Amino acid sequence: GDSVTQTEGLVTLTEGLPVMLNCTYQSTYSPFLFWYVQHLNEAPKLLLKSFTDNKRPEHQGFHATLHKSSSSFHLQKSSAQLSDSALYYCALSPPNQGGSAKLIFGEGTKLTVSS
Amino acid sequence: DTTVKQNPRYKLARVGKPVNLICSQTMNHDTMYWYQKKPNQAPKLLLFYYDKILNREADTFEKFQSSRPNNSFCSLYIGSAGLEYSAMYLCASSPGTSNTEVFFGKGTRLTVV
Repeated sequence: GDSVTQTEGLVTLTEGLPVMLNCTYQSTYSPFLFWYVQHLNEAPKLLLKSFTDNKRPEHQGFHATLHKSSSSFHLQKSSAQLSDSALYYCALSPPNQGGSAKLIFGEGTKLTVSS
Repeated sequence: DTTVKQNPRYKLARVGKPVNLICSQTMNHDTMYWYQKKPNQAPKLLLFYYDKILNREADTFEKFQSSRPNNSFCSLYIGSAGLEYSAMYLCASSPGTSNTEVFFGKGTRLTVV
């Protein structure tokens, strides 16, 4: 079945350093890929999404490129900020689900940025 | 307003007793979902409603029930709680199309003792 792997459970960075959170996936189909971010005591919110190979969506300084050849969708940011501290989920959504957009999540990466 | 509301935020239940969790959204979304999140595990889809049609995942089919009395509300029902049901339960909603943004609530943390 479909699955998403996030290899790092915890990433700790100093403010100003670059961020890279890994995400790889397995899918029978050509899925949509998403990054959701969940700040403490808040709801998960969409950060980025992509379906197109080698395109690089950006939002709030974050970007991620979908590479179908390597089944990867790593999240990057050039300079971490304290406010980036949060739990980040990579997720996939199989295409053509009719009325649903159900997501298959990775286990999440907790990013902690310190000064 | 893109808020999905869940009540209560925390719930304590006794083993063997029923549990009912409530969710609402005012975005007129066709689809509502329930996910279960346990520590160090990925959020796992339990079931979803597309309009009035309930779809339950195969591996949790008999453990959870749900109802959707109108477009805005959806509940998750556990008939007899066991310790293994202790988890965060996330409700979500989306327009009735594939691969669109899904909006989540803050979750209800259920502790079964």
